[in-house]
Amino acid sequence: EAGVTQSPTHLIKTRGQQVTLRCSPISGHTSVYWYQQALGLGLQFLLWYDEGEERNRGNFPPRFSGRQFPNYSSELNVNALELEDSALYLCASRRDPNYNEQFFGPGTRLTVL
Amino acid sequence: GNSVTQMEGPVTLSEEAFLTINCTYTATGYPSLFWYVQYPGEGLQLLLKATKADDKGSNKGFEATYRKETTSFHLEKGSVQVSDSAVYFCALSDGTSGTYKYIFGTGTRLKVLA
Repeated sequence: EAGVTQSPTHLIKTRGQQVTLRCSPISGHTSVYWYQQALGLGLQFLLWYDEGEERNRGNFPPRFSGRQFPNYSSELNVNALELEDSALYLCASRRDPNYNEQFFGPGTRLTVL
Repeated sequence: GNSVTQMEGPVTLSEEAFLTINCTYTATGYPSLFWYVQYPGEGLQLLLKATKADDKGSNKGFEATYRKETTSFHLEKGSVQVSDSAVYFCALSDGTSGTYKYIFGTGTRLKVLA
């Protein structure tokens, strides 16, 4: 069974630009979570998608957004990039509401210059 | 709100030493608890988990017991290896509003010397 995949692996952007990160969950998993791992800030919950809908978001500004597609893959969009957005962005998937273990992808390393 | 407190690192040990990484939590209800490991340049891998009080999770020689009375989930290993060098994260699954998002500790970096 293939694990969670993310693309791209690395990304370099400049301040003010926009970026899109992609995630494909494990087959059969309907929930996708996004987390930010910024230096010195640990792992922070960003967004949760389930069955194509945004269900919950963490304490991040609206320029962080995303969506989930009918095949349950997901995109994370970040607009008006700021230097502090430099981080590892991790995607995780969960099978269904009765099973709360999450499986993580390898992450996308975003560097904002 | 719910939170996880994890011992500060880095922790440096010699090979075959005993490892303990402390983790305590604050939560309403009875969350599931997890330990994840992150090797350099990689994502998170589940190490072990426990879903209710007194459960013991174990994997690859690592163990942790869900202690409700002390709200703790300390990670232990009897004899560490150089290959165990990584960052370890304690996490709880926050069921508030049905989200089940993870709340993580700050991570503990372990370095094992040969």
